[in-house]
Amino acid sequence: GENVEQHPSTLSVQEGDSAVIKCTYSDSASNYFPWYKQELGKRPQLIIDIRSNVGEKKDQRIAVTLNKTAKHFSLHITETQPEDSAVYFCAASSFSGGYNKLIFGAGTRLAVHP
Amino acid sequence: DAMVIQNPRYQVTQFGKPVTLSCSQTLNHNVMYWYQQKSSQAPKLLFHYYDKDFNNEADTPDNFQSRRPNTSFCFLDIRSPGLGDAAMYLCATSGQQGAGETQYFGPGTRLLVL
Repeated sequence: GENVEQHPSTLSVQEGDSAVIKCTYSDSASNYFPWYKQELGKRPQLIIDIRSNVGEKKDQRIAVTLNKTAKHFSLHITETQPEDSAVYFCAASSFSGGYNKLIFGAGTRLAVHP
Repeated sequence: DAMVIQNPRYQVTQFGKPVTLSCSQTLNHNVMYWYQQKSSQAPKLLFHYYDKDFNNEADTPDNFQSRRPNTSFCFLDIRSPGLGDAAMYLCATSGQQGAGETQYFGPGTRLLVL
């Protein structure tokens, strides 16, 4: 079946540094790529998403890049802060079993140290 | 304002004792999803409803059932919970079933099986 690989599984940075999380996907028809942030015991929250008609999208300190040829997309967080510490999940849309659904990566645990 | 509401937030049940988790939404979205999330793992899709049309994932155990009596409410029934069913159960909604539709998650119900 379709899958999404996410790296690294854990990431530790100093406050103020940048963090990059990378995902690759297998379904060449995927055209929607959201990123979710999940703090401990809380719901996954959408932080940014990108659709296949653009290569990059930015929202303040967060940016996502997409390379459809290589089938990978990345999350970039600049000027990291302790409150950025959480688990981040990438996902890719996939048409499977007659409907569209999201295929999630395994997650990256980001720790930002003051 | 809460848009996707899940009750209860914590549920304790006994091995083999049926349990029902509930989800409601104020977004008037057509699609409602149920995910299972175990510790440090990505959400795993169990099934979803597009309006009244039910779609089961191929690997969802028969022990899990769902009901959607109206647009706003969706229930997850676990007929005979086992110890392996202890997890966070997340409800999500999206406006349509299209590939670019954002999914909005509820806060989850953490299920403990004794």
